[in-house]
Amino acid sequence: ILNVEQSPQSLHVQEGDSTNFTCSFPSSNFYALHWYRWETAKSPEALFVMTLNGDEKKKGRISATLNTKEGYSYLYIKGSQPEDSATYLCASANYGQNFVFGPGTRLSVLP
Amino acid sequence: NAGVTQTPKFRVLKTGQSMTLLCAQDMNHEYMYWYRQDPGMGLRLIHYSVGEGTTAKGEVPDGYNVSRLKKQNFLLGLESAAPSQTSVYFCASSYSWQGALNTGELFFGEGSRLTVL
Repeated sequence: ILNVEQSPQSLHVQEGDSTNFTCSFPSSNFYALHWYRWETAKSPEALFVMTLNGDEKKKGRISATLNTKEGYSYLYIKGSQPEDSATYLCASANYGQNFVFGPGTRLSVLP
Repeated sequence: NAGVTQTPKFRVLKTGQSMTLLCAQDMNHEYMYWYRQDPGMGLRLIHYSVGEGTTAKGEVPDGYNVSRLKKQNFLLGLESAAPSQTSVYFCASSYSWQGALNTGELFFGEGSRLTVL
């Protein structure tokens, strides 16, 4: 079973701050990485599906990068807003295996 | 636009009782999954299905059974509930295998909170 780690565990930022967090995964036999956004009392929703080393994806103020050689992905939020408050999950899979989710980073954006 | 629907949303069981969680999706997805979410841990895969009539074990399958008799439904059963099965259960579905760009993303239900006393 893969070991997928996320840091930090939780984060408090002020509205307007930019922030980033990390997902670490085993780099050997890498297949794909997903980022999900999970608001309290709702379902996790996909942000990005990433497969290629060096890939960069962007959705509004949120972007992600992927380094499959060293086994990490960064999620960036530019100009955080209170509505960005959520838990951000990453999930990684090796070839032929199911996804393994990290424990998540809980982001609180204070107005 | 229902997406993935789970029933029931909440349930309290006594140790040894049985129950079934139902997951229904209206997106014609081939792949369906059952996860459990426990505090401080990532979502852990219990069982999954790659198509109607097929099921397979995930990371934590013990104490659970599943069935996929219809493409749109994926049932998770607890034959004899134990306190260790107190958790929040999430069903998910995807159009294709999880790594496929733009189609491998998982669509989740809203979760079912189960307490076993």
